[in-house]
Amino acid sequence: AQSVTQPDIHITVSEGASLELRCNYSYGATPYLFWYVQSPGQGLQLLLKYFSGDTLVQGIKGFEAEFKRSQSSFNLRKPSVHWSDAAEYFCAVGAQGNNDMRFGAGTRLTVKP
Amino acid sequence: GAGVSQSPSNKVTEKGKDVELRCDPISGHTALYWYRQRLGQGLEFLIYFQGNSAPDKSGLPSDRFSAERTGESVSTLTIQRTQQEDSAVYLCASSLDRASYNEQFFGPGTRLTVL
Repeated sequence: AQSVTQPDIHITVSEGASLELRCNYSYGATPYLFWYVQSPGQGLQLLLKYFSGDTLVQGIKGFEAEFKRSQSSFNLRKPSVHWSDAAEYFCAVGAQGNNDMRFGAGTRLTVKP
Repeated sequence: GAGVSQSPSNKVTEKGKDVELRCDPISGHTALYWYRQRLGQGLEFLIYFQGNSAPDKSGLPSDRFSAERTGESVSTLTIQRTQQEDSAVYLCASSLDRASYNEQFFGPGTRLTVL
């Protein structure tokens, strides 16, 4: 079964600074990869997803992620963070033929003014 | 409906009591998932429904947990004889169908506290 690791439990960045959240997955074939954001008191919202094709994926709210098969990674990036980006971010991996997605433990993002 | 809804939003219960959590998926979504999110942890898959097929119960942690779904509508997650370790946020999600590349739409969750 597939699995995913988010090495950083908590990250703090200054508003306007760039952001990169790490995600590493484990799966033998080509995975389906997702990033979700969970804002306080709200449900999870999909930021972006990767199935195939171009390895650089654009998402909502100015986020992007790059699939690197050689590194088994799918890191999330944003060039300039806004205070409203403070939230919990989850990486998830799905696989063809599986019913469930595996979620990472999440990375909590704090944005300093 | 416009999105996935869950009720109640918060539930406080005493150890040993039974609880029922409800999920209303997006209309037309045939797939429905339940997850558990313990404090500071990721989402833990519990159970999956797809139309009228037999549910995938592989994630249920014990026989105290069960879930039902009527057709492609409402689902109920039941926890019997609750324990303190059951305290968590229970999230429901729905998607168009079983394909794992389909986006899952999540409800706001039910926060369960077992005293």
